[in-house]
Amino acid sequence: QLQLQESGPGLLKPSGTLSLTCTVSGGSISSSNYYWGWIRQPPGKGLEWIGNIYYSGSTYYNPSLKSRVTISVDTSKTQFSLKLSSVTAADTAVYYCARVSYYDSTGYPALNWFDPWGQGTLVTVSS
Amino acid sequence: NFMLTQPHSVSESPGKTVTISCTGSSGSIASNYVQWYQQRPGSAPTTVIYEDNQRPSGVPDRFSGSIDSSSNSASLTISGLKTEDEADYYCQSYDSSNHDVVFGGGTKLTVL
Repeated sequence: QLQLQESGPGLLKPSGTLSLTCTVSGGSISSSNYYWGWIRQPPGKGLEWIGNIYYSGSTYYNPSLKSRVTISVDTSKTQFSLKLSSVTAADTAVYYCARVSYYDSTGYPALNWFDPWGQGTLVTVSS
Repeated sequence: NFMLTQPHSVSESPGKTVTISCTGSSGSIASNYVQWYQQRPGSAPTTVIYEDNQRPSGVPDRFSGSIDSSSNSASLTISGLKTEDEADYYCQSYDSSNHDVVFGGGTKLTVL
Protein backbone atom coordinates (compact mmCIF):
# COMPACT_ATOMS: atom_id res chain seq x y z
CA GLN A 1 0.00 0.00 0.00
CA LEU A 2 1.50 3.29 -1.10
CA GLN A 3 2.11 5.80 1.67
CA LEU A 4 3.41 9.34 1.64
CA GLN A 5 4.84 11.24 4.60
CA GLU A 6 5.70 14.93 4.76
CA SER A 7 8.55 16.16 6.93
CA GLY A 8 10.24 19.47 7.66
CA PRO A 9 10.33 22.43 10.03
CA GLY A 10 7.00 23.49 11.45
CA LEU A 11 8.00 27.09 12.16
CA LEU A 12 9.97 29.60 10.16
CA LYS A 13 10.48 33.33 10.08
CA PRO A 14 9.20 35.76 7.44
CA SER A 15 11.47 36.11 4.40
CA GLY A 16 12.88 32.65 5.00
CA THR A 17 12.65 29.58 2.76
CA LEU A 18 10.21 26.78 3.47
CA SER A 19 11.68 23.33 2.82
CA LEU A 20 9.63 20.15 2.99
CA THR A 21 10.27 16.56 1.93
CA CYS A 22 7.77 13.88 1.00
CA THR A 23 8.93 10.30 1.47
CA VAL A 24 7.18 7.66 -0.61
CA SER A 25 6.96 4.09 0.66
CA GLY A 26 5.22 0.96 -0.57
CA GLY A 27 5.65 1.84 -4.23
CA SER A 28 7.99 3.26 -6.83
CA ILE A 29 8.49 6.99 -7.24
CA SER A 30 9.94 6.21 -10.68
CA SER A 31 6.68 4.89 -12.10
CA SER A 32 5.94 6.32 -15.53
CA ASN A 33 2.24 6.41 -14.69
CA TYR A 34 2.29 9.16 -12.09
CA TYR A 35 3.35 12.64 -11.16
CA TRP A 36 3.95 13.71 -7.57
CA GLY A 37 2.38 16.84 -6.17
CA TRP A 38 2.21 19.41 -3.40
CA ILE A 39 -1.01 21.03 -2.18
CA ARG A 40 -1.53 23.41 0.73
CA GLN A 41 -4.43 24.52 2.89
CA PRO A 42 -4.33 27.69 5.00
CA PRO A 43 -6.12 27.35 8.34
CA GLY A 44 -9.87 27.36 7.82
CA LYS A 45 -9.55 27.74 4.04
CA GLY A 46 -9.64 25.60 0.92
CA LEU A 47 -7.09 23.58 -1.00
CA GLU A 48 -4.50 25.25 -3.23
CA TRP A 49 -2.40 23.41 -5.78
CA ILE A 50 1.31 24.26 -5.54
CA GLY A 51 2.91 22.11 -8.23
CA ASN A 52 3.83 18.67 -9.56
CA ILE A 53 6.95 16.79 -10.61
CA TYR A 54 7.60 13.70 -12.73
CA TYR A 55 10.32 11.22 -11.81
CA SER A 56 12.39 12.60 -14.69
CA GLY A 57 12.30 16.06 -13.13
CA SER A 58 9.65 17.67 -15.35
CA THR A 59 7.61 20.17 -13.34
CA TYR A 60 4.39 22.17 -13.43
CA TYR A 61 3.77 25.03 -11.01
CA ASN A 62 0.84 27.17 -9.92
CA PRO A 63 1.38 30.48 -11.76
CA SER A 64 0.62 32.45 -8.59
CA LEU A 65 3.52 30.75 -6.78
CA LYS A 66 5.83 29.95 -9.67
CA SER A 67 8.37 32.70 -8.95
CA ARG A 68 8.98 31.34 -5.42
CA VAL A 69 8.57 27.57 -5.83
CA THR A 70 11.01 24.80 -6.66
CA ILE A 71 10.03 21.13 -6.61
CA SER A 72 12.71 18.46 -6.99
CA VAL A 73 12.89 14.67 -6.89
CA ASP A 74 15.45 12.22 -5.57
CA THR A 75 14.54 8.80 -6.90
CA SER A 76 17.37 7.07 -5.00
CA LYS A 77 15.77 8.17 -1.73
CA THR A 78 12.17 7.82 -3.03
CA GLN A 79 11.60 11.42 -2.01
CA PHE A 80 10.45 14.63 -3.60
CA SER A 81 10.84 18.04 -2.09
CA LEU A 82 9.30 21.51 -1.98
CA LYS A 83 11.09 24.81 -1.53
CA LEU A 84 9.13 28.06 -1.19
CA SER A 85 11.18 31.21 -0.85
CA SER A 86 10.45 34.63 0.64
CA VAL A 87 7.67 33.32 2.86
CA THR A 88 5.16 35.53 4.66
CA ALA A 89 2.36 34.86 7.11
CA ALA A 90 0.14 34.16 4.10
CA ASP A 91 2.15 30.99 3.49
CA THR A 92 1.07 29.55 6.85
CA ALA A 93 -0.78 26.37 5.95
CA VAL A 94 -0.98 22.61 6.18
CA TYR A 95 1.15 21.27 3.34
CA TYR A 96 0.21 17.95 1.75
CA CYS A 97 2.00 15.75 -0.74
CA ALA A 98 0.18 13.32 -3.02
CA ARG A 99 0.58 10.98 -5.94
CA VAL A 100 -1.07 12.25 -9.13
CA SER A 101 -2.32 10.25 -12.08
CA TYR A 102 -2.30 11.83 -15.53
CA TYR A 103 -3.40 11.20 -19.09
CA ASP A 104 -2.25 12.51 -22.42
CA SER A 105 -4.08 15.63 -23.60
CA THR A 106 -2.97 16.88 -27.03
CA GLY A 107 0.66 16.12 -26.27
CA TYR A 108 0.69 17.43 -22.70
CA PRO A 109 0.10 15.50 -19.49
CA ALA A 110 -3.31 16.37 -18.08
CA LEU A 111 -2.87 16.14 -14.33
CA ASN A 112 -5.74 14.16 -12.96
CA TRP A 113 -6.43 12.34 -9.71
CA PHE A 114 -4.60 13.14 -6.44
CA ASP A 115 -4.45 9.92 -4.43
CA PRO A 116 -3.23 8.96 -1.93
CA TRP A 117 -2.36 12.01 0.15
CA GLY A 118 0.10 12.31 2.99
CA GLN A 119 -1.24 13.22 6.41
CA GLY A 120 -0.09 16.81 6.00
CA THR A 121 2.26 18.99 8.01
CA LEU A 122 1.50 22.41 9.47
CA VAL A 123 3.99 25.13 8.63
CA THR A 124 3.66 28.40 10.51
CA VAL A 125 5.40 31.57 9.38
CA SER A 126 5.87 33.93 12.29
CA SER A 127 8.51 36.20 13.73
CA ASN B 1 -8.17 31.37 -15.84
CA PHE B 2 -10.43 28.38 -15.36
CA MET B 3 -12.16 28.27 -11.97
CA LEU B 4 -14.51 25.86 -10.23
CA THR B 5 -17.30 27.30 -8.08
CA GLN B 6 -19.02 25.36 -5.30
CA PRO B 7 -21.72 26.40 -2.83
CA HIS B 8 -20.20 27.36 0.49
CA SER B 9 -22.43 25.03 2.48
CA VAL B 10 -25.32 22.59 2.22
CA SER B 11 -27.32 20.78 4.86
CA GLU B 12 -29.71 17.87 4.87
CA SER B 13 -31.20 15.33 7.22
CA PRO B 14 -29.99 11.77 7.75
CA GLY B 15 -31.42 9.34 5.22
CA LYS B 16 -32.04 12.05 2.63
CA THR B 17 -30.19 12.78 -0.60
CA VAL B 18 -27.99 15.82 -1.19
CA THR B 19 -26.31 17.10 -4.35
CA ILE B 20 -23.26 19.38 -4.36
CA SER B 21 -22.54 21.30 -7.55
CA CYS B 22 -19.22 22.38 -9.07
CA THR B 23 -19.53 24.88 -11.92
CA GLY B 24 -16.79 25.63 -14.42
CA SER B 25 -16.10 29.29 -15.23
CA SER B 26 -15.32 28.86 -18.90
CA GLY B 27 -14.76 26.33 -21.61
CA SER B 28 -16.23 22.88 -21.17
CA ILE B 29 -16.04 21.12 -17.83
CA ALA B 30 -16.38 17.89 -19.77
CA SER B 31 -13.00 18.50 -21.44
CA ASN B 32 -11.14 17.06 -18.46
CA TYR B 33 -12.04 14.72 -15.65
CA VAL B 34 -13.47 15.95 -12.35
CA GLN B 35 -12.58 14.45 -8.99
CA TRP B 36 -14.32 14.85 -5.62
CA TYR B 37 -12.53 14.71 -2.29
CA GLN B 38 -13.95 14.38 1.23
CA GLN B 39 -12.11 16.06 4.10
CA ARG B 40 -13.07 15.51 7.68
CA PRO B 41 -11.77 17.94 10.35
CA GLY B 42 -8.12 17.41 11.10
CA SER B 43 -7.63 14.86 8.32
CA ALA B 44 -6.19 14.79 4.85
CA PRO B 45 -8.59 14.70 1.87
CA THR B 46 -9.64 11.32 0.53
CA THR B 47 -11.18 10.54 -2.83
CA VAL B 48 -14.86 9.72 -3.09
CA ILE B 49 -15.20 10.12 -6.88
CA TYR B 50 -12.52 10.20 -9.60
CA GLU B 51 -12.76 10.66 -13.35
CA ASP B 52 -16.25 12.15 -13.19
CA ASN B 53 -18.14 9.13 -11.86
CA GLN B 54 -15.77 6.40 -10.69
CA ARG B 55 -15.73 5.27 -7.06
CA PRO B 56 -12.50 4.06 -5.46
CA SER B 57 -12.71 0.72 -3.73
CA GLY B 58 -14.13 1.13 -0.27
CA VAL B 59 -16.34 4.12 -1.11
CA PRO B 60 -20.01 3.15 -0.74
CA ASP B 61 -22.31 3.34 -3.74
CA ARG B 62 -24.28 6.03 -1.91
CA PHE B 63 -21.73 8.39 -3.50
CA SER B 64 -22.10 9.15 -7.20
CA GLY B 65 -20.74 11.73 -9.63
CA SER B 66 -22.00 13.18 -12.87
CA ILE B 67 -21.32 15.84 -15.48
CA ASP B 68 -23.91 18.17 -17.00
CA SER B 69 -22.50 19.85 -20.10
CA SER B 70 -25.54 22.08 -20.51
CA SER B 71 -24.81 23.85 -17.22
CA ASN B 72 -21.04 23.28 -17.44
CA SER B 73 -21.10 21.68 -14.04
CA ALA B 74 -20.20 18.53 -12.17
CA SER B 75 -22.24 17.14 -9.31
CA LEU B 76 -21.62 14.92 -6.32
CA THR B 77 -24.72 13.16 -5.03
CA ILE B 78 -24.83 11.43 -1.68
CA SER B 79 -27.91 9.34 -0.96
CA GLY B 80 -29.02 7.80 2.31
CA LEU B 81 -27.10 10.44 4.23
CA LYS B 82 -25.33 9.40 7.40
CA THR B 83 -23.93 11.60 10.12
CA GLU B 84 -20.46 10.32 9.18
CA ASP B 85 -20.83 12.01 5.77
CA GLU B 86 -20.58 15.39 7.48
CA ALA B 87 -17.39 16.89 6.05
CA ASP B 88 -15.97 19.36 3.55
CA TYR B 89 -16.13 18.29 -0.10
CA TYR B 90 -13.86 19.64 -2.84
CA CYS B 91 -14.09 19.23 -6.59
CA GLN B 92 -10.91 19.28 -8.69
CA SER B 93 -10.09 19.31 -12.36
CA TYR B 94 -7.48 20.43 -14.87
CA ASP B 95 -7.17 23.55 -16.99
CA SER B 96 -5.83 22.41 -20.35
CA SER B 97 -5.22 25.96 -21.52
CA ASN B 98 -2.74 26.77 -18.78
CA HIS B 99 -1.72 23.24 -17.68
CA ASP B 100 -2.92 24.03 -14.16
CA VAL B 101 -4.68 21.96 -11.53
CA VAL B 102 -7.82 23.65 -10.21
CA PHE B 103 -9.68 23.03 -6.95
CA GLY B 104 -13.14 24.29 -6.12
CA GLY B 105 -13.50 26.37 -2.97
CA GLY B 106 -15.09 23.52 -1.04
CA THR B 107 -18.57 22.83 0.34
CA LYS B 108 -19.29 22.16 3.98
CA LEU B 109 -21.91 19.42 4.29
CA THR B 110 -23.91 19.37 7.51
CA VAL B 111 -26.04 16.33 8.27
CA LEU B 112 -28.56 17.19 10.95
